Amino acid sequence: EAGVAQSPRYKIIEKRQSVAFWCNPISGHATLYWYQQILGQGPKLLIQFQNNGVVDDSQLPKDRFSAERLKGVDSTLKIQPAKLEDSAVYLCASSESGTSVWEQFFGPGTRLTVL
Amino acid sequence: AQKVTQAQTEISVVEKEDVTLDCVYETRDTTYYLFWYKQPPSGELVFLIRRNSFDEQNEISGRYSWNFQKSTSSFNFTITASQVVDSAVYFCALLGDSNYQLIWGAGTKLIIKP
Repeated sequence: EAGVAQSPRYKIIEKRQSVAFWCNPISGHATLYWYQQILGQGPKLLIQFQNNGVVDDSQLPKDRFSAERLKGVDSTLKIQPAKLEDSAVYLCASSESGTSVWEQFFGPGTRLTVL
Repeated sequence: AQKVTQAQTEISVVEKEDVTLDCVYETRDTTYYLFWYKQPPSGELVFLIRRNSFDEQNEISGRYSWNFQKSTSSFNFTITASQVVDSAVYFCALLGDSNYQLIWGAGTKLIIKP
């Protein structure tokens, strides 16, 4: 079974530039999550999708971050414009169920460095 | 408020030693779930175990074992006869039925020296 795919694996940009990350969840998984993991901290949930609808985006900085999941499969997370404090690893995860009770499968992450 | 505390920032042991990673949680929910995840240097988080609040039985899986004690709000993880491949950051997480959002600890970096 293929795992969660993410690209790119690494990205370096200058502040005020834009960046986009892509995630392809495990086939059949209805729920998709985007997390931000700052070095030395646990993951922080940015947004959760159930199929192509948003379940929770309470911690998403909506003035600069946006995410979409068209057709309920792949998802894109965008930052525009980026700030220095956005430097982090962005993790995508998926699960079968609509709640986090069931196991979340994580992708390898995208390491973003903002200079 | 819900919270997960992993007081050990970093632990270093020599291969074959036993090591215990501590996890203390806070929640007012009566139904909740506790998780352990492993994050190796590659960066991908790997699910290890899920335990619900009504099941206090300890669990053993090979060299891994988990001790869940509601009386002390702890869910500790022990690796027996550690190996270099166990080197990783280990995260404890909590999910309560009040909001169904995973609350993560800060992680414990485990270094196993050959």
